[in-house]
Formats: sequence, C-alpha cells, structure tokens
Amino acid sequence: DVKVTQSSRYLVKRTGEKVFLECVQDMDHENMFWYRQDPGLGLRLIYFSYDVKMKEKGDIPEGYSVSREKKERFSLILESASTNQTSMYLCASSLSLLTGEQYFGPGTRLTVT
Amino acid sequence: DQQVKQNSPSLSVQEGRISILNCDYTNSMFDYFLWYKKYPAEGPTFLISISSIKDKNEDGRFTVFLNKSAKHLSLHIVPSQPGDSAVYFCAASVLEMDSSYKLIFGSGTRLLVRP
Repeated sequence: DVKVTQSSRYLVKRTGEKVFLECVQDMDHENMFWYRQDPGLGLRLIYFSYDVKMKEKGDIPEGYSVSREKKERFSLILESASTNQTSMYLCASSLSLLTGEQYFGPGTRLTVT
Repeated sequence: DQQVKQNSPSLSVQEGRISILNCDYTNSMFDYFLWYKKYPAEGPTFLISISSIKDKNEDGRFTVFLNKSAKHLSLHIVPSQPGDSAVYFCAASVLEMDSSYKLIFGSGTRLLVRP
C-alpha cells in the first residue's frame, strides 16, 4: 500500500510566521504535489515536483514555496503566513503524471491567527 | 474560470438504489478524467478513471461514463451502500505541449446513502 504521511494533522500559527509543512511518501514515486482544499472550491494545486530539486507552479503558487531535496520528501513553505492561508493542505504523490491517479496524505488543517 | 464543475453540492439516495454523480468540463484537451472519494478527516482516495478516448469504464459497482460531445462525465454507483457516503470529487488532467501539467478538481458532491 502506498503511504503518504504529513507531519502534522493540525497546526496553529500566527500571522507573519514562517511555516513548514512536510510530506513523505514511501512508494518511490517521481511526482509529488501540494494542494489546498477550501469549501466550495475543491482542491487547488499549489506546486508540484516531478523529480528531486525540480518544481513547477500550480494554479495558486503565490505566497508559497517548496523544496524537494530527496525523492521521498516534499516540503511546502509559507514564508510569511497570512490569515487567507488558513486552509486544509493536502500532499499527494503519483507514479504517472498523465493518468492523474494520485495518492493523498491525510491533510494538515492550518489555522493562521 | 472553473474548468471542471460539479453543480450539485449534495445528493441523497436510498440504500440499494443507483447514485449518479455528475461533472461538466470546458477544456476539450483533457486527457484523463478521474473520480476521487473523500471521507472526513482523510485525504481523497482514487476511485476510478477514464481516458478521453473511451466512453465507459467499469469497476465493480462503479461505472464512469464520458460524453465528449456534451463535455460531461458521470459516476454511477449501483447498488449504493451506506459506506459510500462521502464527498466525491471529479478531476481532469492534461499534459500540455510545453510539458506543463494540470490536474483540475471540481468542488465536490456530498453523497449520503440512507439505510
């Protein structure tokens, strides 16, 4: 079974803080993704990575950066957290980019106060 | 500009009956269409997919239909079971000529299967 784990289930941070969200997958997948899920908006892609040290912007990259130093680990960084970044953050990995079949972690509920 | 739309936020069905979840899209270049299921406090799980060159794919109780002329996708669950109660997201993927990639999700439909 593919396992995607995220470092925290719940996180509360203050406005202006730097926030790190970590994601680890154990299936040797090339591709990893970060999404945010908001009510009525579905899942929106923030960034994805198709190889170590490679990254591509998704639909809503503003205010975020990512890091992929090892194949199994993909980090999402909020350089200066803002209240509009309060959301559910989901990490995913996949073997094939094209087919769209992705394996998701349980999510991190981030609240920025 | 929502390229993938699920116009029904919720659906309630009696156990044993058919559940039909619908999805519309605008981009005729999408390569694959997928359905994901999400339970509360869990990440989405992949359910079933269909290539843009097909019109039907079946896996057990789940069948996905693709109508390209109408740009419409549907998921049929028959018979519906209480354990199917979840939020269902449709999604569409495209790998562009410049190698950029998109997987675009709809806003989700909450299915409730009543015992």
